[in-house]
Amino acid sequence: RKEVEQDPGPFNVPEGATVAFNCTYSNSASQSFFWYRQDCRKEPKLLMSVYSSGNEDGRFTAQLNRASQYISLLIRDSKLSDSATYLCVVNGHKLVFGAGTILRVKS
Amino acid sequence: NAGVTQTPKFQVLKTGQSMTLQCAQDMNHNSMYWYRQDPGMGLRLIYYSASEGTTDKGEVPNGYNVSRLNKREFSLRLESAAPSQTSVYFCASSELAAVNNEQFFGPGTRLTVL
Repeated sequence: RKEVEQDPGPFNVPEGATVAFNCTYSNSASQSFFWYRQDCRKEPKLLMSVYSSGNEDGRFTAQLNRASQYISLLIRDSKLSDSATYLCVVNGHKLVFGAGTILRVKS
Repeated sequence: NAGVTQTPKFQVLKTGQSMTLQCAQDMNHNSMYWYRQDPGMGLRLIYYSASEGTTDKGEVPNGYNVSRLNKREFSLRLESAAPSQTSVYFCASSELAAVNNEQFFGPGTRLTVL
């Protein structure tokens, strides 16, 4: 079983849609959680950290469920520019990256 | 600030050849990392350097060596390239090796081994 698992997608959604991604992790001792964004053939960049209480940054909301060991990312009012691969990242004693979920927003 | 820079951007090698991937950061970060990214897999850590003068193995170190030349520079060497090392290589840096520190990535090196 992979340490961090994500649905690879792709998720194809129209502009303005709300889309949610989930990510599960296996190491219950994990301490820090992140979502990174990776554009095609580019480097990953931090989108947001995920806190136990949940956090929001504009149209993006991240949630953490420690009991079920999953993390979610909700994107509201999708824009064409949101098209990218979203990487779930979990940090226990080391940083572990998920393989990513592809999002395609269409006009 | 250029952030994290990597050279070369692309490279094609024949099996058995050697090469060094260069990485430099201008953010005065203490920690630096080398990852590889393969299709359908997450980034996997090859080696890291928590601070100048130290290096440690990551998840997939076999076939690679690293040098932390100074605080700014961290190089990755393939002594005898194999087709299984065809991948995209990313260098990253963070202020500290602490678990909640954001990592900043370079643009990557696309390596093909024939």
